[in-house]
Amino acid sequence: DAKTTQPTSMDCAEGRAANLPCNHSTISGNEYVYWYRQIHSQGPQYIIHGLKNNETNEMASLIITEDRKSSTLILPHATLRDTAVYYCIVRVVSSGYSTLTFGKGTMLLVSP
Amino acid sequence: DAGVIQSPRHEVTEMGQEVTLRCKPISGHNSLFWYRQTMMRGLELLIYFNNNVPIDDSGMPEDRFSAKMPNASFSTLKIQPSEPRDSAVYFCASSSSLAGGPRNEQFFGPGTRLTVL
Repeated sequence: DAKTTQPTSMDCAEGRAANLPCNHSTISGNEYVYWYRQIHSQGPQYIIHGLKNNETNEMASLIITEDRKSSTLILPHATLRDTAVYYCIVRVVSSGYSTLTFGKGTMLLVSP
Repeated sequence: DAGVIQSPRHEVTEMGQEVTLRCKPISGHNSLFWYRQTMMRGLELLIYFNNNVPIDDSGMPEDRFSAKMPNASFSTLKIQPSEPRDSAVYFCASSSSLAGGPRNEQFFGPGTRLTVL
């Protein structure tokens, strides 16, 4: 699976949009981009995934550049409960088995 | 719906003792994963099962670690003998490969915090 690079930490004011970048310059054509987050003392939680088109769900939006070498996770209106470590993961998806390789992620601190 | 259930939530033991961690995956899920998380190494995949069969155990650190999945609703991770460096949070996750498609989301349990003195 391709490696990813994320900033170690970011700050965001409550109510503002949080934009978390991820660099995956060696991504292959058959690799998807996934985002998970881990709130303190909990297990990781799936947020969103995409291949090449932008994606949106009830939690966040995912913007993938046209060359697919980077992406941005957007939390449109961050709340204090969004404080967590956010992991960007790229991996091949095939029918059957799927594994996740977690990096160090970005620690997002949302402040009042 | 109950999520992934892990027990115990906390375990404190002495070096040399046997430790058994337990996991009940979400009903209907056919893939199960064991992870370990430490400050130094982050979140590491130890082993995963598909349809109760171990598929890849290359992440298991050494022979002191073993994992079993006797049926679709139960798995154990055993450390024997335990050592202080095994202190970590151990997570179990499950997913349904039968769901198909790239979403194939993994659902994580709350973890077991293991302290080996």
